[in-house]
Amino acid sequence: DTGVSQNPRHKITKRGQNVTFRCDPISEHNRLYWYRQTLGQGPEFLTYFQNEAQLEKSRLLSDRFSAERPKGSFSTLEIQRTEQGDSAMYLCASSSSRDTDTQYFGPGTRLTVL
Amino acid sequence: AQSVTQPDIHITVSEGASLELRCNYSYGATPYLFWYVQSPGQGLQLLLKYFSGDTLVQGIKGFEAEFKRSQSSFNLRKPSVHWSDAAEYFCAVESNYQLIWGAGTKLIIKP
Repeated sequence: DTGVSQNPRHKITKRGQNVTFRCDPISEHNRLYWYRQTLGQGPEFLTYFQNEAQLEKSRLLSDRFSAERPKGSFSTLEIQRTEQGDSAMYLCASSSSRDTDTQYFGPGTRLTVL
Repeated sequence: AQSVTQPDIHITVSEGASLELRCNYSYGATPYLFWYVQSPGQGLQLLLKYFSGDTLVQGIKGFEAEFKRSQSSFNLRKPSVHWSDAAEYFCAVESNYQLIWGAGTKLIIKP
């Protein structure tokens, strides 16, 4: 399967802990996007990368959120000092240089903060 | 500001009946529009997209959508729904590399 993969699929953590999620895009897709989806809502854009460069990060929800894509392949999203309001589904998507406008999504990581 | 509105939170249709899901957008230029479907435990799957050209676009699983600039709409249709179509459907518009989404419409199929 060459789709977008995300790990873990589920994460339960206690308030105040740090969490990190991983996204592996479709092979050779140079753009990678992170979104957050809360119950009953559409996804909300967080950030995106073109290769290893983070081109938009102003939508990250606070300075507790950070993302990296060090080698232009997989990406990680870290949330520090988690809060209950961070509970959501975190989605990753990727797109290719030949069709930058079409994003393909992974299954998401569901975060529950207790 | 760009936005997408899906007026119907839930829609219930009988299996075999036709379906239309509404989507209205607010966007200054010619929009790039998308419909995605999300089933429980599944990722968002692209059904179809409109960039330019023919305003009636065909997608996967027998879905189609029609772009109407005068109405700022991009409604999704299917002539005959199947029980497996029960899912949540999202309309989105692209703006500066990010997708801006509607709140979704949950489709319920009556047997």
